[in-house]
Amino acid sequence: NAGVMQNPRHLVRRRGQEARLRCSPVKGHSHVYWYRQLPEEGLKFMVYLQKENIIDESGMPKERFSAEFPKEGPSILRIQQVVRGDSAAYFCASSPGAKSPLHFGNGTRLTVT
Amino acid sequence: GESVGLHLPTLSVQEGDNSIINCAYSNSASDYFIWYKQESGKGPQFIIDIRSNMDKRQGQRVTVLLNKTVKHLSLQIAATQPGDSAVYFCAENIIIQGAQKLVFGQGTRLTINP
Repeated sequence: NAGVMQNPRHLVRRRGQEARLRCSPVKGHSHVYWYRQLPEEGLKFMVYLQKENIIDESGMPKERFSAEFPKEGPSILRIQQVVRGDSAAYFCASSPGAKSPLHFGNGTRLTVT
Repeated sequence: GESVGLHLPTLSVQEGDNSIINCAYSNSASDYFIWYKQESGKGPQFIIDIRSNMDKRQGQRVTVLLNKTVKHLSLQIAATQPGDSAVYFCAENIIIQGAQKLVFGQGTRLTINP
């Protein structure tokens, strides 16, 4: 049973470039969540998606950030024109439904130089 | 409540001792709570959960206590082992218009001394 798979594990981008982070949920899970974590801090909610739909994006910055979870394929978190402040660990989680534990991947560590 | 960017609280215990990690949550309407363990370089790993209709739940070497009156959650780890060293987060599940959002607490770094 594969857990949540995220790739790449590490991503380095220069300021102004685009970052694409991928997440394959646990097989059979249709709910996907993205969280951001800065060093020595907790995880901050970004967005919650079900297949093809964004349910809650209240934690997403208004500009440059977008997320999708297409009918086929992984969920993608996209950051356009990255800035140094975007450097963080980005975690994806999935669940089979509400009020179920979230299963987390091992994250993508984004470094913007 | 959510992390406010301070250094993580730390707790050091001797191997074999019991440890208690505390957490205060913010939303009195939250009815589902989870404890996660995060090791360096990894994602949070589920430890144990509890629903608001309970005040205690036990797992293997772990016990979660919930006090809804004061909005307090604790995680007890019995007979700690070196592998228990990690950062521990409590999380409350908030349901808004049918959508689930897990809100994490600040976290506590647990260090097990040999």
